[in-house]
Amino acid sequence: NAGVTQTPKFQVLKTGQSMTLQCAQDMNHEYMSWYRQDPGMGLRLIHYSVGAGITDQGEVPNGYNVSRSTTEDFPLRLLSAAPSQTSVYFCASSPRPQTGRGYTFGSGTRLTVV
Amino acid sequence: GENVEQHPSTLSVQEGDSAVIKCTYSDSASNYFPWYKQELGKRPQLIIDIRSNVGEKKDQRIAVTLNKTAKHFSLHITETQPEDSAVYFCAATQKGSQGNLIFGKGTKLSVKP
Repeated sequence: NAGVTQTPKFQVLKTGQSMTLQCAQDMNHEYMSWYRQDPGMGLRLIHYSVGAGITDQGEVPNGYNVSRSTTEDFPLRLLSAAPSQTSVYFCASSPRPQTGRGYTFGSGTRLTVV
Repeated sequence: GENVEQHPSTLSVQEGDSAVIKCTYSDSASNYFPWYKQELGKRPQLIIDIRSNVGEKKDQRIAVTLNKTAKHFSLHITETQPEDSAVYFCAATQKGSQGNLIFGKGTKLSVKP
């Protein structure tokens, strides 16, 4: 039982490049979400999913796409990276949609866009 | 949507003193309020939480209080130790939402030995 696994741990992109941040969980959690963490800004919700085939936008969705084809995986795509997307990205999952309880966070991906 | 304000942004205490971090929320329908601790370079980890039908909850040296009327909740750490140094985040979710947590901006706690 690995919990929530994020890859890669570190990434440097050039402006305009695309990439996918991977997130996988082996706990059969229905709910998964992506947050970005910037200094002094806390954790801000990008996108979330309450089950396979269902996704929705959070507080700061612009510039990011997601999909949820399986319960286990919830990748985050940057189609055209911008310096403003330099941040630490956390994926989280929960077994109890609609309660917010039981969040498990991944170890994070530190992304730098130059 | 929900908005969570957290104060102070930084807090420095002497070892053994108490520390208090306060949060306010905007949505009166919010019903779950967790607190997370994040050490440098690590992921956030849940340390205590409280539901809207409870006024106070304790777990050893940490406690959380909730005032639903005033829409604020607080984290209390007693007998602070150097290992309590970290960034602490409060969060709130709302009844009827999809389980989304909205976080405060964090408090950096420094405990000086």
